[in-house]
Amino acid sequence: QSALTQPASVSGSPGQSITISCSGTSSDVGGYNYVSWYQHHPDKAPKLMIYDVNMRPSGVSNRFSGSKSGNTASLTISGLQAEDEADYYCSSFTSRITWVFGGGTKLTVL
Amino acid sequence: EVQLVESGGGLVQPGDSLRLSCTASGFTFSGVAMGWVRRAPGRGLEWVSGISTTGTNTYYADSVKGRFTISRDNSKNTLYLQMNSLRVEDTAAYHCAKGDGGRRGLDWFDPWGQGTLVTVSS
Repeated sequence: QSALTQPASVSGSPGQSITISCSGTSSDVGGYNYVSWYQHHPDKAPKLMIYDVNMRPSGVSNRFSGSKSGNTASLTISGLQAEDEADYYCSSFTSRITWVFGGGTKLTVL
Repeated sequence: EVQLVESGGGLVQPGDSLRLSCTASGFTFSGVAMGWVRRAPGRGLEWVSGISTTGTNTYYADSVKGRFTISRDNSKNTLYLQMNSLRVEDTAAYHCAKGDGGRRGLDWFDPWGQGTLVTVSS
């Protein structure tokens, strides 16, 4: 199972918006609405930010939103803040009844 | 408060075996599916394995199928990962996580444990 494709890095200034893409196939991202996104700060446990493509867990800021078009899912962070600097990973269920993560995107807040 | 605490990691040689444990508290362990995800040094997250509430159904990544076995003891609120025939490329921090969503209860993970480090080296 190949990892989902994410950009290696994105950056933005405080207050700006950024979008991280997550490209898969019709056997994973495109075939199911089971895309989730995780934030990972060094030396901390990964944190769920979005599930089911666009649902936000309680306690997660509404600055985080998710969407999907075809085989590509996206995570948008608006009003960037310094504490948003982290690695972000997408994940999807697959037709082989396995789950796959993206390669991860390092977000830098300038 | 939901807590997941992994243990059992360490330094082993290629071909060795290791069993990881994940002790859960703060929720009804027997009512949720669980999973293992790893992160190799300098690399991204990799889904490793998942298990249903009763342990009847198990799922594995191709990279570990036939070598790793996931299991659970609901009476002890503990999740396990038996790792055999370990390879250098299995070196990673292994996180257990509480599953949710979808038909199998594993479509997202929340929360995650801090992880236990497994190093496979000769």
